[in-house]
Amino acid sequence: DTAVSQTPKYLVTQMGNDKSIKCEQNLGHDTMYWYKQDSKKFLKIMFSYNNKELIINETVPNRFSPKSPDKAHLNLHINSLELGDSAVYFCASSQGPQMEQYFGPGTRLTVT
Amino acid sequence: SQELEQSPQSLIVQEGKNLTINCTSSKTLYGLYWYKQKYGEGLIFLMMLQKGGEEKSHEKITAKLDEKKQQSSLHITASQPSHAGIYLCGAANQAGTALIFGKGTTLSVSS
Repeated sequence: DTAVSQTPKYLVTQMGNDKSIKCEQNLGHDTMYWYKQDSKKFLKIMFSYNNKELIINETVPNRFSPKSPDKAHLNLHINSLELGDSAVYFCASSQGPQMEQYFGPGTRLTVT
Repeated sequence: SQELEQSPQSLIVQEGKNLTINCTSSKTLYGLYWYKQKYGEGLIFLMMLQKGGEEKSHEKITAKLDEKKQQSSLHITASQPSHAGIYLCGAANQAGTALIFGKGTTLSVSS
């Protein structure tokens, strides 16, 4: 049973395209997150959602938009992809603030 | 903004040897989390420390939190090849809404 799953695992696309990454958690957690890991392996928070409300947005370009259809899903939509968007994107979830976060396997996005 | 500095950046040890990884925060720690990442995979939660002086162990891995020094250490006893990977420390922001991560320590264990 996968606790936090992401699809697709790999995504290769051209500049200017629009793409989405899906995330699902079956842990019954209230909070979900998106992180970006760059080529130097530095992991940085992008968004978090608590009970379907966006509670943090760390200076991420507005080309990125999280969408949560329900508590178990937090999808990431990216418009007008740029070369600099190439990275590994991780979804995570936690029972609440100050609780440990559980991460998905990551989606490696390559923009050509 | 808060920053976490990990040391060393990379480490190569012989199987069976002990090792320590340090994580120092530029601001007060509200919670310190240790994760392990294998190449091409997601992060695996190891331990969470919240109180000064707290120490937790799981199998051969022990983590301590020195709140006054805003520092945590991760100690591995009798390292094994299965311990190889990238170890990341993460600190909760004051609101507890996100984790701020260090840049990681890459551990290699030679047999």
